[in-house]
Amino acid sequence: QSALTQPPSASGSPGQSVTISCTGISSDVGGYSYVSWYQHNPGKAPKLLIYEVSKRPSGVPDRFSASKSGNTASLTVSGLQAEDEADYYCSSNAGSNNLGVFGGGTKLTVL
Amino acid sequence: EVQLVQSGAEVKKAGESLKISCKASGYNFPNYWIGWVRQMPGKGLEWVGIIYPPDSDARYGSSFEGQVTISADKSITTAYLQWSSLQASDTAIYYCARPFMAGGVIVRIDYWGQGTLVTVSS
Repeated sequence: QSALTQPPSASGSPGQSVTISCTGISSDVGGYSYVSWYQHNPGKAPKLLIYEVSKRPSGVPDRFSASKSGNTASLTVSGLQAEDEADYYCSSNAGSNNLGVFGGGTKLTVL
Repeated sequence: EVQLVQSGAEVKKAGESLKISCKASGYNFPNYWIGWVRQMPGKGLEWVGIIYPPDSDARYGSSFEGQVTISADKSITTAYLQWSSLQASDTAIYYCARPFMAGGVIVRIDYWGQGTLVTVSS
């Protein structure tokens, strides 16, 4: 069982928006601003999508946005495209004596 | 361009030893921590550990302390993950990862390798 809870699957039609949640506790997601999100196509290297809750690295489309409220972080993909079909993982810092925790991943299907 | 290129898939038997590698390029290797993330079949991601190449200071995830060894060779900009005695439960994909650290904690992972599949039969 992963430390952070994500729904195993999510789906949407092209052009629609979908939101993926990531629930932790006060000593990880709720306690820090170091929540990040990764996109992973199996067989390839994962890619950083979001860091520090809501910041996008250069090159990541602004269709990807994220936020946090309490112990739950959320990733929203707007204007879904076929190329967005992938696995998405959240991660959070969990204190100075911990390397950090990940979610179990959400498989996003573009219908 | 930063690249983390991992060694190929391995098939081993329980009790055997193994060392997989991650060749880093495109950045100043000693300036950054580098580490490993495990993905067991059908499961999520989990930090194995990280190492700081200049002094080989290594930190391990709680599940991995004493089970694996992480090392780095600055001369060939390569990080390693090593087992002395594999178990079937070590079967997983292992990703090399370069985290960005702030205040001694991992803020994010900027770069990942393509993964190395390790299969251990009992």
